[in-house]
Amino acid sequence: QAQLVESGGGLVKPGGSLRLSCAASGFTFSDHYMSWVRQAPGKGLEWLSFISGRGDSVYYADAVKGRFTISRDNAQNSLFLQMNSLRGEDTAVYYCAREGISSDLWGQGTQVAVSS
Amino acid sequence: IVMTQSPDSLAVSLGERVTINCKSSQSVLYSSDNKNYLAWYQQKPGQPPKVLIYWASTRESGVPARFSGTGSGTDFTLTISSLQAEDVAVYYCQQYISTRTFGQGTKVEIK
Repeated sequence: QAQLVESGGGLVKPGGSLRLSCAASGFTFSDHYMSWVRQAPGKGLEWLSFISGRGDSVYYADAVKGRFTISRDNAQNSLFLQMNSLRGEDTAVYYCAREGISSDLWGQGTQVAVSS
Repeated sequence: IVMTQSPDSLAVSLGERVTINCKSSQSVLYSSDNKNYLAWYQQKPGQPPKVLIYWASTRESGVPARFSGTGSGTDFTLTISSLQAEDVAVYYCQQYISTRTFGQGTKVEIK
């Protein structure tokens, strides 16, 4: 059964860094683009970034370009999001999602809180 | 591409029809394959989103037939033909012709 499990969230001070991970299982990870999407408390979904199956193409939303870096390790079936220079407005649940025709598989999310 | 949904919320009686609109700032119809790169998602409280419809009108496997999607170019609609209690959720449209963008969401409640 295909599954995504995020980890690495937590409480961090403004200006700090955090690295999120997403462990994939039950499907051929390297065949798929993968995305990170976040949802601030009580707000809607915001797409952040995606990466090609081989990891050679990456795209970012303007809100995180230059601060966040997406990467993947296909040997470990893992997706990552390195988040630097964190701000209060980065407080959210962060989801990883598999890209098929649409975002067809989602993890349960990991909570990130940015506060002093 | 900016996606704008309307309304932001609505309350409908059980068994009644629900209509949610989504407008994109640019066409999401790709001329090479004549497909609309538009998906609809359902998100229930405390859960991740779940895809309902892709290519604007194709239901994901397992999605009840009461959910349908229509539209082309820049204007799209998600319809729930007969609202059930388990359909209470927030619904999002998403374009995927150019990276990804979500609409702001429409909250559906029972009247």
